Amino acid sequence: NAGVIQTPRHKVTGKGQEATLWCEPISGHSAVFWYRQTIVQGLEFLTYFRNQAPIDDSGMPKERFSAQMPNQSHSTLKIQSTQPQDSAVYLCASSFDNAETLYFGSGTRLTVL
Amino acid sequence: AQSVTQPDARVTVSEGASLQLRCKYSYSGTPYLFWYVQYPRQGLQLLLKYYSGDPVVQGVNGFEAEFIKSNSSFHLRKASVHWSDSAVYFCAVSSSNTNKVVFGTGTRLQVLP
Repeated sequence: NAGVIQTPRHKVTGKGQEATLWCEPISGHSAVFWYRQTIVQGLEFLTYFRNQAPIDDSGMPKERFSAQMPNQSHSTLKIQSTQPQDSAVYLCASSFDNAETLYFGSGTRLTVL
Repeated sequence: AQSVTQPDARVTVSEGASLQLRCKYSYSGTPYLFWYVQYPRQGLQLLLKYYSGDPVVQGVNGFEAEFIKSNSSFHLRKASVHWSDSAVYFCAVSSSNTNKVVFGTGTRLQVLP
């Protein structure tokens, strides 16, 4: 079991460019979560999926952020027209069932110049 | 809505000393409570969790936490810290009604040799 895999580890974009972050959850896990981590805000919940269906996206900035889970083996977080304030570590986590332990990937560090 | 407060952004202790990291939560229903640890350049890892039953839960590496419902608290304790315990510690809350896990802002622990 390789754990939750996030790619790329680091991504640098210019202001206004698009960034797509990938997450491969642990096989058999039914829930996938995305969080954003910054020094100032800490760990912010963005969105989560259960059995590939979006359940709660209350933490997602509405205009430029979107997340999808087209199949049970991967999820993507897309940020359009990236801004410097989007710079953060984006963490993906998966869990086996409701409210169970979250297993985190190592994160993608996004830097927007 | 769920929320978690970790009032201490940084805690410094000497190796061998006892430790308490504070956590207070806000949730109207029955909470599920967690402590996670994040070592440098890694994702978060579960230390311990509380769902029900004995309010004192044991975790890995000698950590324990006590659920005190009357105080809405779930403080983390360790009798004798080691320099390798230096990391960021996050308290989190969820419930049986939702997969959504909300984290506190974290406490950075520095253990002096």
